[in-house]
Order: sequence, then C-alpha cells, then structure tokens
Amino acid sequence: GNSVTQMEGPVTLSEEAFLTINCTYTATGYPSLFWYVQYPGEGLQLLLKATKADDKGSNKGFEATYRKETTSFHLEKGSVQVSDSAVYFCARNTGNQFYFGTGTSLTVIP
Amino acid sequence: DTAVSQTPKYLVTQMGNDKSIKCEQNLGHDTMYWYKQDSKKFLKIMFSYNNKELIINETVPNRFSPKSPDKAHLNLHINSLELGDSAVYFCASSLNGEGYEQYFGPGTRLTVT
Repeated sequence: GNSVTQMEGPVTLSEEAFLTINCTYTATGYPSLFWYVQYPGEGLQLLLKATKADDKGSNKGFEATYRKETTSFHLEKGSVQVSDSAVYFCARNTGNQFYFGTGTSLTVIP
Repeated sequence: DTAVSQTPKYLVTQMGNDKSIKCEQNLGHDTMYWYKQDSKKFLKIMFSYNNKELIINETVPNRFSPKSPDKAHLNLHINSLELGDSAVYFCASSLNGEGYEQYFGPGTRLTVT
C-alpha cells in the first residue's frame, strides 16, 4: 500500500539538543518526500523536500536524506531552539495524491 | 499577498445548521484540496479538485459537498452539522504532478455546539 509512518510524539527536548524524527514510507515506485511544519494556530508549511533517491533536503538547520534502501526520510537538526516547537509532518506524494504521517509534536524547553 | 486564504477563520454554530467555508488561491495552481485535522493533529484528506474536476473523494459523509466555481476557488459546504464535525479544516493547493509541494491556508476552526 501507500503510507507514511513517523515516530509518535510528543517529543520534549532542551534547547541545543539534537533532534531526530523518524519517518518511513511504503510506495510503489519512487515518490517525492516532504517534511512540513505546523506552528501553533497556523497551517502547515513546507520545511524541506527531496524528489529522488540520495537527495538531501535542508532548511533552517533541518536536514533529511531520501534513503531508498531503507525507505526512510528522517528529519534531523543539530541544535534545536525554543522557536522550533511545533508539529512536524512527514509526507509523500505520487502525482496529485499526498499521504501524510500522523505528525510529531515537538516542545523545546529553555 | 496571501497565497491560500480561507474564510472564516473561526466558525461557531449549532448542530443541524448548514455552513460554508471558502478557499481561494492566487498561485495559479491547478489542484486544490480540503483536509480535516482533528484534536490529535491527525490530517485527513477529504477532497481534491484538479481544474474544477473532482479527483479525490475520500469516505466522508454526504453532508459535505465541495464546489469549485473556477480553478482558483474550492469551497466546502456542510449540511446538518454534527458535534463530530468540530475540527480545523485546511484548504491547500499545488501544481500538477510529482514533486510539487502543497501550500496550505491558515485553517478554519469549526466548533459545533
């Protein structure tokens, strides 16, 4: 089938800690992969994306690498800030169809 | 300029009423979507339109009816509102095809009392 599985939250980290949010996908073929971020009270916005195997998406200190062998697209950041507190969604698309993970809530405490 | 806009931002209404949520995008995108987000932040696709034609119609009650008067607008009409309809509804749009991300509106928080 076609689905996206991401690690359950909530995740609570201290400022400057290392962040990893796992995401794996199932798909036929090679979908494009995305990470979206949703800040409190707002809509989702694109954080980064990768459209083919071994591509690395990066933005605002976040990175994720499209790993075809492990069908994964884990999100990482070396040093989180309080302002990174949000819900993070992994997603994949095939054509016009998007499949979202369940979201991972991150809280960063000073 | 707002890329994807929705009105209203908040909607409080009583059970049994009929209400509409409007969505407009000024990005020139061909495809528009409606999502429902529950209190646990789970995002569920409801509908998708491509150039005013319905292409995704997930299992949602018949009380929900999308209408696309042109490719820049996708409105959501809900009849006979129920308590379980309370959620945040997001409109989104994208270009057609692989690799293009979705742009989301700010959401409409619907509360049914």
